[in-house]
Amino acid sequence: ETGVTQTPRHLVMGMTNKKSLKCEQHLGHNAMYWYKQSAKKPLELMFVYSLEERVENNSVPSRFSPECPNSSHLFLHLHTLQPEDSALYLCASSQDPTSTDTQYFGPGTRLTVL
Amino acid sequence: AQSVSQHNHHVILSEAASLELGCNYSYGGTVNLFWYVQYPGQHLQLLLKYFSGDPLVKGIKGFEAEFIKSKFSFNLRKPSVQWSDTAEYFCAVRTEDSNYQLIWGAGTKLIIKP
Repeated sequence: ETGVTQTPRHLVMGMTNKKSLKCEQHLGHNAMYWYKQSAKKPLELMFVYSLEERVENNSVPSRFSPECPNSSHLFLHLHTLQPEDSALYLCASSQDPTSTDTQYFGPGTRLTVL
Repeated sequence: AQSVSQHNHHVILSEAASLELGCNYSYGGTVNLFWYVQYPGQHLQLLLKYFSGDPLVKGIKGFEAEFIKSKFSFNLRKPSVQWSDTAEYFCAVRTEDSNYQLIWGAGTKLIIKP
């Protein structure tokens, strides 16, 4: 049973749509992460938040916009996406991004951009 | 650039066979090492991790991994696999220089034939 939930689990959107992915962690952690998982590729870290402040942004296109209103919730706002953005988007959390703590993952949102 | 290499993208074994999945990383300093598993339709979860001490690490479900510093390797092993081990396995490394980031391998899909 994961302490990290993500909604929706599946999303199909057109290139002109605006949508948001939601992540919630119930573990009392201080750090949250967005990853992109594409087939046959390593996981790509997109954003890291620590205590609601963005601490890492790995050259992600501006059509992806994260938001962390509190330490339990993380959003990824999507706008004008491209078909190559289709992937599984994973949220994770850990106690502290700078420690050796394990990251706990949500089930992911399977995104398809038409 | 730091990287993690998982040599086999697909492995097919029969039940009761022994398993070894390779993981090599490119970094000469101190590392934290992880194996995560993703069962079909489920979230990524930690199998085992190495931070320091005994280089032979035991994880859940009978898995173990051995850190061999001279070979920059952290191979995953299980003496006798079960059908329920069918999953994708990911090796990840955190280094002194990688800041908050886990550096991931591309994953190995393991299929166990009943």
